[in-house]
Amino acid sequence: DAGITQSPRYKITETGRQVTLMCHQTWSHSYMFWYRQDLGHGLRLIYYSAAADITDKGEVPDGYVVSRSKTENFPLTLESATRSQTSVYFCASSQVLFGDEQFFGPGTRLTVL
Amino acid sequence: AQSVTQLDSQVPVFEEAPVELRCNYSSSVSVYLFWYVQYPNQGLQLLLKYLSGSTLVKGINGFEAEFNKSQTSFHLRKPSVHISDTAEYFCAAWESGSARQLTFGSGTQLTVLP
Repeated sequence: DAGITQSPRYKITETGRQVTLMCHQTWSHSYMFWYRQDLGHGLRLIYYSAAADITDKGEVPDGYVVSRSKTENFPLTLESATRSQTSVYFCASSQVLFGDEQFFGPGTRLTVL
Repeated sequence: AQSVTQLDSQVPVFEEAPVELRCNYSSSVSVYLFWYVQYPNQGLQLLLKYLSGSTLVKGINGFEAEFNKSQTSFHLRKPSVHISDTAEYFCAAWESGSARQLTFGSGTQLTVLP
């Protein structure tokens, strides 16, 4: 199906474990983004990517790692999960950076115990 | 640094009543402005956006917003709401030419009551 998908939709893990959240888009959009959504903060940008092998930090990158070997995939890895990383994570994509609509995935709810 | 303020965290309103969700931004340069809606357990969807031109922007589902440069505001309005409009609404801004990210407000939960 066309669109942007995220997996898993729900994840419970323990402090110190590595977790990878997957994001896949079928539009061949150049730009992809990872946000986290926390109560009272709206959405905050973690990382974004302009193309395969090109990534850049957003507002809250600490504790996260991204890669983009293929245009359609943009995985987010928490190398050593902490409780403060409990959040809902959204992946998004857009064709251009400035002024363009971003299309969002359904989100991954991550709980770190 | 650019910031977006949504003045009301929760707005309850009765069905068929009008509603206004307030948004203010801080920027000394040109901005692109957006309203997104998030229905329960879903991602965000674009309602409308302002890039340039007419200050009154019409979006989907009967929503509209007015860009007011002097008041640095971009309030969202709907003349008559439905139960199905119950959702969280996010205002977002992109400072043209310098910022490399979309800045979101903290969101307004609109609850439409029967």
